[in-house]
Amino acid sequence: GDSVTQMEGPVTLSEEAFLTINCTYTATGYPSLFWYVQYPGEGLQLLLKATKADDKGSNKGFEATYRKETTSFHLEKGSVQVSDSAVYFCALSDRPGGSYIPTFGRGTSLIVHP
Amino acid sequence: NAGVTQTPKFRVLKTGQSMTLLCAQDMNHEYMYWYRQDPGMGLRLIHYSVGEGTTAKGEVPDGYNVSRLKKQNFLLGLESAAPSQTSVYFCASSYGTGGFEETQYFGPGTRLLVL
Repeated sequence: GDSVTQMEGPVTLSEEAFLTINCTYTATGYPSLFWYVQYPGEGLQLLLKATKADDKGSNKGFEATYRKETTSFHLEKGSVQVSDSAVYFCALSDRPGGSYIPTFGRGTSLIVHP
Repeated sequence: NAGVTQTPKFRVLKTGQSMTLLCAQDMNHEYMYWYRQDPGMGLRLIHYSVGEGTTAKGEVPDGYNVSRLKKQNFLLGLESAAPSQTSVYFCASSYGTGGFEETQYFGPGTRLLVL
């Protein structure tokens, strides 16, 4: 079946450091890929997405490129801020049999210190 | 436009008690979902619905029932609560036009403690 694997957290960085959160996936079809962010005490919200190979999703300084050859969708940001502290979820939606069944990774906690 | 709302925000139950969690969305979305979030487990899909009057099982459906009598509401029921159902429950919805490119919109969550 489909699965998403994210790097273990927490990831702890100083403000203005470079961020990478790794995400790899397995899918039976040709999925769309997503990053969601969950701030403390809130529900998840979409950060960015990509729907086909080599697409780059971007938002709020975050980027991720859909790499079909390596089945990866790593999240990057050039300079993190304290306000980026949150839990980040990689997710995919596949299309087996024409149905939409979302699959989420376990989440990676990011802690940014001033 | 409230988006996705969940009621209640927090609840404590005793083992064996029943309760219903309510999810409401005002975006005219076709698809709705219930997830549970446990430490180190990410989000796991309990049940989902692809339209009014329809429901389907997700990854972890046992011990839960759902109903979608109105398009804007999706109810999650626990008939006989167990401590293993202590979790944070999230409702989500999406447009349902194509499915695979769709963004999910999440509610703020319901924290449930079963003693």
